[in-house]
Amino acid sequence: EAEVAQSPRYKITEKSQAVAFWCDPISGHATLYWYRQILGQGPELLVQFQDESVVDDSQLPKDRFSAERLKGVDSTLKIQPAELGDSAMYLCASSTAAFIENTIYFGEGSWLTVV
Amino acid sequence: AQSVTQLGSHVSVSEGALVLLRCNYSSSVPPYLFWYVQYPNQGLQLLLKYTSAATLVKGINGFEAEFKKSETSFHLTKPSAHMSDAAEYFCAVKSGANSKLTFGKGITLSVRP
Repeated sequence: EAEVAQSPRYKITEKSQAVAFWCDPISGHATLYWYRQILGQGPELLVQFQDESVVDDSQLPKDRFSAERLKGVDSTLKIQPAELGDSAMYLCASSTAAFIENTIYFGEGSWLTVV
Repeated sequence: AQSVTQLGSHVSVSEGALVLLRCNYSSSVPPYLFWYVQYPNQGLQLLLKYTSAATLVKGINGFEAEFKKSETSFHLTKPSAHMSDAAEYFCAVKSGANSKLTFGKGITLSVRP
């Protein structure tokens, strides 16, 4: 069964350092999402891509977060500089297209601890 | 705007007992509703989804949920809990032209031997 691949699974970084997460969606999935899940809460959407274009980044803290999907396939989420409050799980997800009835499939997530 | 409310943060049941996890939604247009399960240190796995085809939806692992428009609810049930059902469960909603998935805060299910 095809899966959304994410790396690294775990990352510990010091405050003010840069950190990056990588995601490879299910093959053929045009829509890619990055969610942030703080411990004890539900995931919240950070950014949504349709192919290589950003369609929703309204909740992305753009002063320190950036995301790209240059060739419309895999994607990178970067944080620079990292802050203590960024400690969370970063989930990548994908779907065939951005239609309401389409299922969104999630990866295993990348745990970030900022110390 | 769309939203989901999952009251309470923790439910504990005995093995073999009925599981009932509550979810209420708010949406100005007909919603699509989802239940996801998350095991420790893992991503989210889809349990089931409501897409207006039928109000009673059956999912994986013996779970099912019923869409009740009059109550704006989509509660998740399972007749008999197994130890392996211990996990966190999230209700989520999509509505309108927006494909954005909005999650509730989640409920942790514990299963006692």
